[in-house]
Amino acid sequence: AQSVSQHNHHVILSEAASLELGCNYSYGGTVNLFWYVQYPGQHLQLLLKYFSGDPLVKGIKGFEAEFIKSKFSFNLRKPSVQWSDTAEYFCAVIGPYNTDKLIFGTGTRLQVFP
Amino acid sequence: EAGVTQFPSHSVIEKGQTVTLRCDPISGHDNLYWYRRVMGKEIKFLLHFVKESKQDESGMPNNRFLAERTGGTYSTLKVQPAELEDSGVYFCASSPDRQGSAFFGQGTRLTVV
Repeated sequence: AQSVSQHNHHVILSEAASLELGCNYSYGGTVNLFWYVQYPGQHLQLLLKYFSGDPLVKGIKGFEAEFIKSKFSFNLRKPSVQWSDTAEYFCAVIGPYNTDKLIFGTGTRLQVFP
Repeated sequence: EAGVTQFPSHSVIEKGQTVTLRCDPISGHDNLYWYRRVMGKEIKFLLHFVKESKQDESGMPNNRFLAERTGGTYSTLKVQPAELEDSGVYFCASSPDRQGSAFFGQGTRLTVV
């Protein structure tokens, strides 16, 4: 079965620290990859997505992610986090079997302290 | 522009009762999805509507769950009768296309006691 693994369940950082959240998916073929974020009390929103082309994808709020096909990975990065980045982050994938339902990882809760 | 809205935001019901969740997608979005997150686990797909038709309902847990989308606009998800394991957060999402960039609602937190 298709699956997505997020290695870090809970990450605690101080402001200005660098962030990398791991995401691996379980199958080959053409995939579409996503990172969603849920800020406290808000709805899930799209941070960034990869469909094709440049494997380094830039999203909103200074986030970026790199698609490494050989490692089945799509890690999320930010060079310097802020307190306002405190949220839960979800990696998700679509495909490759001509379906468009999102397969999510279990999520990573990020806490950033001033 | 209004986003995806879900009602209610919270619901606490007793085992055996019926609950109906509602989702209003973004106007003009043909694709509507329901997802569920049980505490501590991943967000899981339940079903997908294209307009008023069920495109994929492979994630529906069992026949206690019934989803409808009247006239291709809002959707309802009814759980009857509710069981303890149905507790979780139910998300609705809509999209103008089928490429995964869905807009999510805030979710309905359902607690079955």
